[in-house]
Amino acid sequence: SYVLTQPPSVSVAPGQTARITCGGNNIGSKSVHWYQQKPGQAPVLVVFDDYDRPSGIPERFSGSNSGNTATLSISRVVAGDEADYYCQVWDISSDQRDVVFGGGTKLTVL
Amino acid sequence: QVQLLQSGAEVKEPGASMKVSCKASGYTFTTYYVNWVRQAPGQGLEWMGIINPSGGTTIYAQKFQGRVTMTRDTSTTTVYMELSNLRSEDTAVYYCARGGATVVNHLGPWGQGTLVTVSS
Repeated sequence: SYVLTQPPSVSVAPGQTARITCGGNNIGSKSVHWYQQKPGQAPVLVVFDDYDRPSGIPERFSGSNSGNTATLSISRVVAGDEADYYCQVWDISSDQRDVVFGGGTKLTVL
Repeated sequence: QVQLLQSGAEVKEPGASMKVSCKASGYTFTTYYVNWVRQAPGQGLEWMGIINPSGGTTIYAQKFQGRVTMTRDTSTTTVYMELSNLRSEDTAVYYCARGGATVVNHLGPWGQGTLVTVSS
């Protein structure tokens, strides 16, 4: 089965740019989606199809995807961005289709 | 606005079954797939499967095949997820999440979650 690898934690100072990676075999050939989850809340989609943003998501959130790594970038980080972030793809084979999530990355704003 | 409203928390004994509901509103119910995802305490997200509210067809994650059943009621725009033969490891928050008009798509918006505790 397909595996997505995320760093367990990323720390960044306010005003700086946070970059959260999501590694997977030839992930650049897949569409990657990113979710933000704050404590006690349901996940929220922040980037879909590698780099598109849903309405209401600030432009500070952006994504890229190439080769074996997809990246979620959050510029001008504020305290309210502190959360867990998950990447997600679909793993499609000849006989099965599955949603795969990365293990999640805890973003800490120093 | 699009909303998914889930049923309330439950406590179940090992071996029992659970059934969580997810009522959709604010969009055409039969146009968008609905996914189910769970999250054990302190853990990450785990996909359980997806249902097409239009025809009722389903795709289940291999891990849950034989134990999970997803159904829908178009008259009440509600999707259901039933999990049988519960064990302590099934203690988790269960989420429904709207998908796209096709199976392979992103997930969102999400329901508020339903905590299911399996304990004797």
